[in-house]
Amino acid sequence: AQSVTQPDIHITVSEGASLELRCNYSYGATPYLFWYVQSPGQGLQLLLKYFSGDTLVQGIKGFEAEFKRSQSSFNLRKPSVHWSDAAEYFCAVGAEFGNEKLTFGTGTRLTIIP
Amino acid sequence: GAVVSQHPSWVICKSGTSVKIECRSLDFQATTMFWYRQFPKQSLMLMATSNEGSKATYEQGVEKDKFLINHASLTLSTLTVTSAHPEDSSFYICSASGLGGYEQYFGPGTRLTVT
Repeated sequence: AQSVTQPDIHITVSEGASLELRCNYSYGATPYLFWYVQSPGQGLQLLLKYFSGDTLVQGIKGFEAEFKRSQSSFNLRKPSVHWSDAAEYFCAVGAEFGNEKLTFGTGTRLTIIP
Repeated sequence: GAVVSQHPSWVICKSGTSVKIECRSLDFQATTMFWYRQFPKQSLMLMATSNEGSKATYEQGVEKDKFLINHASLTLSTLTVTSAHPEDSSFYICSASGLGGYEQYFGPGTRLTVT
């Protein structure tokens, strides 16, 4: 079974600084990988996804993520954060095509300080 | 496009009563819908997967007689929490897929409080 680890429970970043949120996955085959963002009391919004091809994927709101098979990682990055980026971020991994079940990491809460 | 709604967004019910939560895909046909439960400051835990016209598949440890899921049409799935108790209080989120590409589209969630 697949699993996802987000090592950082809480990260604080100054506005305008760069950001990297870590995600490590465990899955025997090529995974389908996702990053979602959740604002307080809200559902999840997809930031970006990786299925195959170029290992550097671009998403919405200026986010990008890089798939590194050798490190089993799919870290999320943003060069300059905005106060509105404060939220909970979840990494998720999908199993074989057709199953469509997602396994979520425990999330990383991002706080932005002025 | 790909909008999923949930109703109600917030519900309070008394212990022992049942409550129904609706999940609708507004602009696409959802062949599969998923129901998640999220405790405060925790991750999403998949409760069940439902395909239109079929019985839901429940994850291990989820009581199928307590959490009744119906997926009667390609745009609507319902979750009924039967004989609710305070420990059922949680944030319930649905998602839908059906546009291909494996992607799930999430609803805004329903906060259930059982008193």
